Amino acid sequence: DAKTTQPPSMDCAEGRAANLPCNHSTISGNEYVYWYRQIHSQGPQYIIHGLKNNETNEMASLIITEDRKSSTLILPHATLRDTAVYYCIVRVATGANSKLTFGKGITLSVRP
Amino acid sequence: DAGVIQSPRHEVTEMGQEVTLRCKPISGHDYLFWYRQTMMRGLELLIYFNNNVPIDDSGMPEDRFSAKMPNASFSTLKIQPSEPRDSAVYFCASSPGWGADNQPQHFGDGTRLSIL
Repeated sequence: DAKTTQPPSMDCAEGRAANLPCNHSTISGNEYVYWYRQIHSQGPQYIIHGLKNNETNEMASLIITEDRKSSTLILPHATLRDTAVYYCIVRVATGANSKLTFGKGITLSVRP
Repeated sequence: DAGVIQSPRHEVTEMGQEVTLRCKPISGHDYLFWYRQTMMRGLELLIYFNNNVPIDDSGMPEDRFSAKMPNASFSTLKIQPSEPRDSAVYFCASSPGWGADNQPQHFGDGTRLSIL
């Protein structure tokens, strides 16, 4: 699976949009971009995933650049409960042995 | 709906003792995963099952670790004998599909294991 690069941390104000960047410059054509987050003392939580089109669900939006070498997770109205470590993961979908490989992630701090 | 249930939430024991961690996946999920999280190594996949059959155990650190899934609603991860370096948070996750299905994994809240 391709490696991803994320800044170690960022913060944003409550109620504002949080834009979390991720670089995956070596991504292959059949690899998906996944985002999970981990709130302190809890297990990771799935947020969203996509291949090349932008995706939106009730939690967030995922914007993938046209060359697929980077993506941005957008939390439209961040709340204090969104403070967590966010993991950007690239994974090949085909093949039963494909794994979710978690890196260090980016720590998002939402301030009041 | 109940999520993935792990027990115990915390375990403290002395080195050399046997440790058994338990997991109940979400009903109807065919895939079950065991992960370990430490500060040094982050979150690592240890083993996963499909329909109760182990598929990939390449992440199991050594023979002291074993995992079983006797039925669709229960799995155990056993460490015997335990060592201080096994101290970590162990997570169980389940998924209704994997591979090309692209189904997300649902994680439990983990077992925090401390080996003294």
